Amino acid sequence: KNEVEQSPQNLTAQEGEFITINCSYSVGISALHWLQQHPGGGIVSLFMLSSGKKKHGRLIATINIQEKHSSLHITASHPRDSAVYICAVWKTSGSRLTFGEGTQLTVNP
Amino acid sequence: GAVVSQHPSRVICKSGTSVKIECRSLDFQATTMFWYRQFPKQSLMLMATSNEGSKATYEQGVEKDKFLINHASLTLSTLTVTSAHPEDSSFYICSARDATYRGDTQYFGPGTRLTVL
Repeated sequence: KNEVEQSPQNLTAQEGEFITINCSYSVGISALHWLQQHPGGGIVSLFMLSSGKKKHGRLIATINIQEKHSSLHITASHPRDSAVYICAVWKTSGSRLTFGEGTQLTVNP
Repeated sequence: GAVVSQHPSRVICKSGTSVKIECRSLDFQATTMFWYRQFPKQSLMLMATSNEGSKATYEQGVEKDKFLINHASLTLSTLTVTSAHPEDSSFYICSARDATYRGDTQYFGPGTRLTVL
């Protein structure tokens, strides 16, 4: 079983829909990252969380440390949001990020 | 926010040649840089951790002599793929840890796509 699991693996939505991507982890962490990777390959760091909630534009990320769970929400989704979204955690005992498998999001116009 | 650059963004080379990829932190000092490799439709695979002024720590299965890493300054790390072969064709991504925060702040470069003919 992976230490970081994301769901769903694939998600297709219509433009304007509210989208949620989930990340569950089974280890103690000091921080959780949400990353975005477009088809061209470059990775953008969207959020780094250690508690609570963060918002940037149409993106919202939340984390529940007790439940070992984080969600990434996209409001009013747009085709340009189509990308792979990756959850990654920095374990408290670790020296590197541990990645989830990613969620492929496709937003159709 | 913090920016990490990589150069080149794309490189095509002949089998047997060596290729150097640079990773720079542009507005912060990075005591640690990480080099990842990514195959199509797969997650990032950590190749090595590079600490400024010391030897890199390689992950199991990664050949040290093939993937040479140098982290000579707080803003620059290089990955050299020596005697490249077609199976080395991949997407290489670096990330840098911001030295002014706890060790859990990482910023990613845009990646370098290597194609070996």
